[in-house]
Amino acid sequence: DTEVTQTPKHLVMGMTNKKSLKCEQHMGHRAMYWYKQKAKKPPELMFVYSYEKLSINESVPSRFSPECPNSSLLNLHLHALQPEDSALYLCASSLADAGTYNSPLHFGNGTRLTVT
Amino acid sequence: AQSVAQPEDQVNVAEGNPLTVKCTYSVSGNPYLFWYVQYPNRGLQFLLKYITGDNLVKGSYGFEAEFNKSQTSFHLKKPSALVSDSALYFCAVRDPMIKAAGNKLTFGGGTRVLVKP
Repeated sequence: DTEVTQTPKHLVMGMTNKKSLKCEQHMGHRAMYWYKQKAKKPPELMFVYSYEKLSINESVPSRFSPECPNSSLLNLHLHALQPEDSALYLCASSLADAGTYNSPLHFGNGTRLTVT
Repeated sequence: AQSVAQPEDQVNVAEGNPLTVKCTYSVSGNPYLFWYVQYPNRGLQFLLKYITGDNLVKGSYGFEAEFNKSQTSFHLKKPSALVSDSALYFCAVRDPMIKAAGNKLTFGGGTRVLVKP
């Protein structure tokens, strides 16, 4: 079983809806990540939070809004999405390794998002 | 810039035979290299990593990988494949010379492994 928990497992939303994806870990990891994965493709990095601060934004459209309320939780708020945003959204976490970030990422099982 | 290539979209192997999944990388300095496996409808699971030290790295589920600096390769191997090893395998690289507050990995395109009984 994964130590990174993502909810919901599946989400169907219309283009005018607002929804949120949630991610939780209790491994004491201080780096948390959002990835987007299309079918049969590698994961694409979207955002990284380090010590609860947004450290990397890979030029993601503003209809995706991340939030890190505390060291264990990571949210991804969704608004006015497009059908092409349908994908598997993966959360991951890792140790910060005193700023070297050498440790592997631990992934959740993802939220399968369908935008209609 | 950092990049990684997995030249084979799919590898087919008979159960009990050796399994090799190829990976080559490009970074400006010494790389950090990782292998992950993904089963259907699941997230990625970490198999092994190379940061420094011995070129032969042993990981989970009997997998190992050899770092070859001259060939810029980090091929994943398993001496005797199991049907349950059938999955999607990703190689990933990070260039530590690129300063980023996070383990900012670049993933290869993935290799589907099919182990036949």
